[in-house]
Amino acid sequence: AAGVIQSPRHLIKEKRETATLKCYPIPRHDTVYWYQQGPGQDPQFLISFYEKMQSDKGSIPDRFSAQQFSDYHSELNMSSLELGDSALYFCASSLARSWNSGNTIYFGEGSWLTVV
Amino acid sequence: DAKTTQPPSMDCAEGRAANLPCNHSTISGNEYVYWYRQIHSQGPQYIIHGLKNNETNEMASLIITEDRKSSTLILPHATLRDTAVYYCIVRVAGRSNYQLIWGAGTKLIIKP
Repeated sequence: AAGVIQSPRHLIKEKRETATLKCYPIPRHDTVYWYQQGPGQDPQFLISFYEKMQSDKGSIPDRFSAQQFSDYHSELNMSSLELGDSALYFCASSLARSWNSGNTIYFGEGSWLTVV
Repeated sequence: DAKTTQPPSMDCAEGRAANLPCNHSTISGNEYVYWYRQIHSQGPQYIIHGLKNNETNEMASLIITEDRKSSTLILPHATLRDTAVYYCIVRVAGRSNYQLIWGAGTKLIIKP
């Protein structure tokens, strides 16, 4: 079965540069979530989208922005990168009515961002 | 803030059942308990979830106490490939959608 696809898998950027991560949800899923996991830390919720609209916002820095497109894929844009932004960024997807009635969300393999 | 507490680490012998406990004493009546695991910084892998009844699937069993304040994930026959960090997570209602609130997880080491 198709899973959540993230690209790129690895990315190295310098401080103050910009990076864009992409997430392609499972087909027919209408909700996308972004998480950040720093080295040795637990995943932290950043932001989510439902039907191309932002639905919830977590600890996403103002330097970051995200959107969901008409084909339901999502992009996380990170500007003025700092060393502390080095982390594993996960995307997850769900079908909202299924999730709301108690089913699950599925995660991609993540994108490793290293800021040097 | 995380709504779950788990032991930071556990060992289990290969072939034995691994029982991972989780406390969620502040869980609300409509909040589900989810279990995911993460193998060496790969994407979190869904294991199982439940509301108040015990659940079983091909990977594991989930035992939820009657007062719902704690639960136990059971891997019936642990293998070396089950070595991972196991997260017990409560799904809470956000402003417009549900969210998974992650805690620190249990690092499970399966020993030969």
